[in-house]
Amino acid sequence: QVQLQQSGPGLVKPSQTLSLTCAIYGDSVSSNSVGWNWIRQSPSRGLEWLGRTYYRSKWFNDYAVSVKSRIIINPDTSKNQFSLQLNSVTPEDTAVYYCARWDHEAGYFDYWGQGTLVTVSS
Amino acid sequence: QSVLTQPPSASGTPGQRVTISCSGSSSNIGRKPVSWYQHLPGTAPKLLIYNNNQRPSGVPDRFSGSKSGTSASLAISGLQSEDEAYYYCAAWDDYLVRVFGGGTKLTVL
Repeated sequence: QVQLQQSGPGLVKPSQTLSLTCAIYGDSVSSNSVGWNWIRQSPSRGLEWLGRTYYRSKWFNDYAVSVKSRIIINPDTSKNQFSLQLNSVTPEDTAVYYCARWDHEAGYFDYWGQGTLVTVSS
Repeated sequence: QSVLTQPPSASGTPGQRVTISCSGSSSNIGRKPVSWYQHLPGTAPKLLIYNNNQRPSGVPDRFSGSKSGTSASLAISGLQSEDEAYYYCAAWDDYLVRVFGGGTKLTVL
């Protein structure tokens, strides 16, 4: 059974960096058949995919066009986790953030973290 | 602006059948399989349909999916009060503009 455990602050000041971590249990961040994603949900935008990291003999990252200039997703093989960094945040980045696994063979997001409400406010 | 377009709201009475549409393009639905998720605020989204029309184990057969060309739809028959939630379609897009539709809030009257 795969479990994803999120951690990180719930309050970030405008213009600063939002940082979250997703620890993986029951799978490996280096697995060749899945991708590791960050997704957020807000009343104004609904579910919004932010980006992913995945390993296929080497590491790949893809990011949504809307955040591409200020997002970094990094795998950490030593701790079997991956992280999200979103720079220069504004109140519009206030949302519940989820990490999720994409099963490439099955074709869906099958495991999700518990969600972290991040509020951007001074 | 969502690349995958869903109606913002839908409604029905208990026992009715409702359909939620998801309109895309050749860079997403036209080339990639569609999945559907049910989301209740405060919980993680739940997978309802994958590969256009496949149901994972545990999802009632009241939920069904279909796809034609660049559009997909989710049908819920025998509507129940617990079906009141947000519903999202998802499909990878060649240009990574969006993966999820804008979401549809289903109200059971």
